[in-house]
Amino acid sequence: GENVEQHPSTLSVQEGDSAVIKCTYSDSASNYFPWYKQELGKRPQLIIDIRSNVGEKKDQRIAVTLNKTAKHFSLHITETQPEDSAVYFCAASRIQAGTALIFGKGTTLSVSS
Amino acid sequence: DTAVSQTPKYLVTQMGNDKSIKCEQNLGHDTMYWYKQDSKKFLKIMFSYNNKELIINETVPNRFSPKSPDKAHLNLHINSLELGDSAVYFCASRPLGYTEAFFGQGTRLTVV
Repeated sequence: GENVEQHPSTLSVQEGDSAVIKCTYSDSASNYFPWYKQELGKRPQLIIDIRSNVGEKKDQRIAVTLNKTAKHFSLHITETQPEDSAVYFCAASRIQAGTALIFGKGTTLSVSS
Repeated sequence: DTAVSQTPKYLVTQMGNDKSIKCEQNLGHDTMYWYKQDSKKFLKIMFSYNNKELIINETVPNRFSPKSPDKAHLNLHINSLELGDSAVYFCASRPLGYTEAFFGQGTRLTVV
């Protein structure tokens, strides 16, 4: 089955700096890669996702890149703000009915002002 | 009009008891999941159902039994609760295709 590795496990940055989180996956049939943000005591919520036929996607300060050959994808957050502090999870999945999102172990991002 | 709702939000119970967590989604999705989030925050898939049919059953003790009476509901029953079952359990649902999974608010289970 799918296995997703995520690094780093913790990341501390100054407000305004960029943050990068990297993930690798094992199942070459995975074709959907979402990123979730989880604030303390809350549910995970999608912040951005990318399909296997796309190399890069951007949404304001957040961007995701995908390298299918190397089986890795990354989250880039620019101009970080204190409200970006949270746990971020990458995930990988096939799109077939019933298949699950397999999550990385999470990255705790702390943005200090 | 919450999309994915779980009850209860908090559950404190003694070792050896049996408890259930309920989940309902009003999004019309065919697939529903149960995830376990332990103290280290790892989100681990437990079960996946598609149209009431069990698709994924990860290495979960058989004390955990999911039940899907219809495609809008997926309940989780846990027998003989153990201390190690303490965690946050998330229900989620997802439509077919390149789409996200929508999570419920979670149930914090504490076994004492």
